[in-house]
Amino acid sequence: GQSLEQPSEVTAVEGAIVQINCTYQTSGFYGLSWYQQHDGGAPTFLSYNALDGLEETGRFSSFLSRSDSYGYLLLQELQMKDSASYFCAGAMNRDDKIIFGKGTRLHILP
Amino acid sequence: TAGITQAPTSQILAAGRSMTLRCTQDMRHNAMYWYRQDLGLGLRLIHYSNTAGTTGKGEVPDGYSVSRANTDDFPLTLASAVPSQTSVYFCASSDPGLSGELFFGEGSRLTVL
Repeated sequence: GQSLEQPSEVTAVEGAIVQINCTYQTSGFYGLSWYQQHDGGAPTFLSYNALDGLEETGRFSSFLSRSDSYGYLLLQELQMKDSASYFCAGAMNRDDKIIFGKGTRLHILP
Repeated sequence: TAGITQAPTSQILAAGRSMTLRCTQDMRHNAMYWYRQDLGLGLRLIHYSNTAGTTGKGEVPDGYSVSRANTDDFPLTLASAVPSQTSVYFCASSDPGLSGELFFGEGSRLTVL
């Protein structure tokens, strides 16, 4: 079956770097996506890894290793506005249902 | 661009009543999804549709039904609501294979009493 595991909470300091990990148990995994959700809002797309390696988008980077069934989201130069929940999501194939992890709440200290 | 529109934004419903949550997208995306979000449980997939005329069950389909008569609309129906269906419901769409990106509506908050 499909499941994605991520830590429930992470705390970091403003200006620092934080990594949010996501491990998954599924076969034929197609790709890994990351979403940000602020309280009361809808999830918004951050990044997508179709292939192994690092994808960089501004202060955010995402990594995927299919051989390790593992990915992570890296947030640099943390700002208070980055306080939110972050979700990894994936699907078994191109046209399959997309499943989410339970989310990681990121707390940022001044 | 409207993107995805959900209605209603919020609703209080008596247990045993039926309810349809509406979802419309104007991006001509083939795939659409319904998720429910509960505290500590993340986003759980209820039903999805890869293209008009087809639907599939997600992780928590019981008590819900969907239809996909055309590309733009993907309504979610609760035939006989129960308190455990109190949740925030998000509709999403995507163009599979392009970027892995899901576009979400603003959500519908449903309270079943």
